[in-house]
Amino acid sequence: GQQVMQIPQYQHVQEGEDFTTYCNSSTTLSNIQWYKQRPGGHPVFLIQLVKSGEVKKQKRLTFQFGEAKKNSSLHITATQTTDVGTYFCAGWNFGNEKLTFGTGTRLTIIP
Amino acid sequence: GAGVSQSPSNKVTEKGKDVELRCDPISGHTALYWYRQRLGQGLEFLIYFQGNSAPDKSGLPSDRFSAERTGESVSTLTIQRTQQEDSAVYLCASSLAPPRAFLNTEAFFGQGTRLTVV
Repeated sequence: GQQVMQIPQYQHVQEGEDFTTYCNSSTTLSNIQWYKQRPGGHPVFLIQLVKSGEVKKQKRLTFQFGEAKKNSSLHITATQTTDVGTYFCAGWNFGNEKLTFGTGTRLTIIP
Repeated sequence: GAGVSQSPSNKVTEKGKDVELRCDPISGHTALYWYRQRLGQGLEFLIYFQGNSAPDKSGLPSDRFSAERTGESVSTLTIQRTQQEDSAVYLCASSLAPPRAFLNTEAFFGQGTRLTVV
């Protein structure tokens, strides 16, 4: 079945450093979504990418969908303590009804 | 309601007992998902509803797990003869449109039910 892996599993950065998480799917995706889960909270939708090679920005966050639509990345510039949490990608492809979540990357910030 | 509501928020049960977890999705949302999240782990897919039908129930771990949805609204996840390995947070999410749409597929999550089996 469809598998969506994320690397790294954990990332510790100094406040102000950049952070990137990578999402890789075993199958071609029709679209990909990104979610953030704060400690003790529930996942919250950040963005959706649909087109091959698409790049979207939200302030310090940059999201990219790969040309082959099998991978995606989230890059945070100049991290802040408010960025702490686990970032999940989630993908769907034709033939599957479910939205499959990636394994997640837990980001911690060292002040 | 304004968001996805799950009840109870916490449930402690004895091994072997049955439990029912409830999810009230956002009104008008046709797609509904159940996920399980063990402590410090990712989101494990359990079942997906489109309306009252479950086109994908491939994630249910065993026949002790079942779920239903009625009125294209409330969903109930039932775990029979609970085991300690069932302890986790059970998250429900809903979206306006199914994943195959390209708009309005954002999933809104409830706060979850923390299940502890002792």
